Amino acid sequence: NAGVTQTPKFRILKIGQSMTLQCTQDMNHNYMYWYRQDPGMGLKLIYYSVGAGITDKGEVPNGYNVSRSTTEDFPLRLELAAPSQTSVYFCATGGGNEKLFFGSGTQLSVL
Amino acid sequence: DAKTTQPPSMDCAEGRAANLPCNHSTISGNEYVYWYRQIHSQGPQYIIHGLKNNETNEMASLIITEDRKSSTLILPHATLRDTAVYYCIARGSISGGYNKLIFGAGTRLAVHP
Repeated sequence: NAGVTQTPKFRILKIGQSMTLQCTQDMNHNYMYWYRQDPGMGLKLIYYSVGAGITDKGEVPNGYNVSRSTTEDFPLRLELAAPSQTSVYFCATGGGNEKLFFGSGTQLSVL
Repeated sequence: DAKTTQPPSMDCAEGRAANLPCNHSTISGNEYVYWYRQIHSQGPQYIIHGLKNNETNEMASLIITEDRKSSTLILPHATLRDTAVYYCIARGSISGGYNKLIFGAGTRLAVHP
């Protein structure tokens, strides 16, 4: 039981490049979330999903896209990377109760 | 969701109790208080939550004042591994089953030998 798995752990992008951050869970949770954390700051919600085929914007969705075709996977897409997207990205899942389970994060640098 | 206020940093001696305060003076009647922590650069970890009664689990105790305007997270015997950033979050009851937690800056707790 791996829980929440994020890949890659580290990535360096050039300005304008695109990439997909992967998040997979084996907890059979309906609810999944993407957060970003800038240095020394708290987490900000980017997008979330309440089930396969259903996604919605969080606090800071600009520059990102998501999809949820299966219960297990919730990829986050950056289309035109900008330096302002340099951050640590966390995926989380929830089973509809109070606990969220977080992945170990993806550290992204855009240069 | 109610705004929460926490001290930016605290320290505690190993083996002693760590008492982390949180102010949530605008909390409404159906809003829960959640505590998470983040050790170094790992993903946040759930600790405990409560509505109005004090709560205890294997990790910590949560004391909520009678007027619910503030709360305290207690780590009864802090260890070096409890050094982390602790987040206090006030959140309404889960609507539709999902839980959009909004994290602030938290309290950076340093446990020293």
